[in-house]
Amino acid sequence: EIVLTQSPGTLSLSLGEGATLSCRASQSVSTSHLAWYQQKPGQTPRLLIYGTSSRATGIPDRFSGSGSGTDFTLTISGVEPEDIAVYYCQQYGASPPTWAFGQGTKVEIK
Amino acid sequence: EVQLLESGGGLVQPGGSRRLSCAASGFTFTTYSMSWVRKAPWKGLEWVAAISGSGDRTNYADSVKGRFTISRDNSKNTLSLQMNSVRDDDTAVYYCAKDNSYGNFESWGQGTLVTVSS
Repeated sequence: EIVLTQSPGTLSLSLGEGATLSCRASQSVSTSHLAWYQQKPGQTPRLLIYGTSSRATGIPDRFSGSGSGTDFTLTISGVEPEDIAVYYCQQYGASPPTWAFGQGTKVEIK
Repeated sequence: EVQLLESGGGLVQPGGSRRLSCAASGFTFTTYSMSWVRKAPWKGLEWVAAISGSGDRTNYADSVKGRFTISRDNSKNTLSLQMNSVRDDDTAVYYCAKDNSYGNFESWGQGTLVTVSS
């Protein structure tokens, strides 16, 4: 079973500041199956990034993803007020089929 | 436009049962695997169960295996989750989610709240 560990738990940023969110897997993960989600308070989760680095439909280009193996990163280049949310990484493993989320990183504005 | 509409949430006693449903529209339902994902209060997202497009393959998180059953009716574009022997820690908002064919969840319903309490 692959465990995803996200860091930091909470990220306090000033508006316009860049953010780097980390997701570390307990074993190697296929880049094709690594995704990031945003969940704003009181809202449904939204897919931001899939396949490690591809932005989902309608996602602003200030969000970008990168990584390989066991280390993956979500970068927000210039945090805006609407980016206040909890961000989750998620992976799918095919053999046997398993789905796992990280515990989340909360992004807040200073 | 993809739409997923969950129903069936509510208050259930420990050890009791509840059936959740998700009505899907806006896409070819039989083509896509579907999952249930939950979010408990003060916790993160947790994948619960998945089912293939044809319904012949199912998978469950260890936390619900043997208690929950995922199913689908492709003639009615409906996904279901039968929850039996529920426990306090099953209290959560349950979301149905559409797979993007890479094991990620590209569309989500608005969620339905299940509260387990006596």
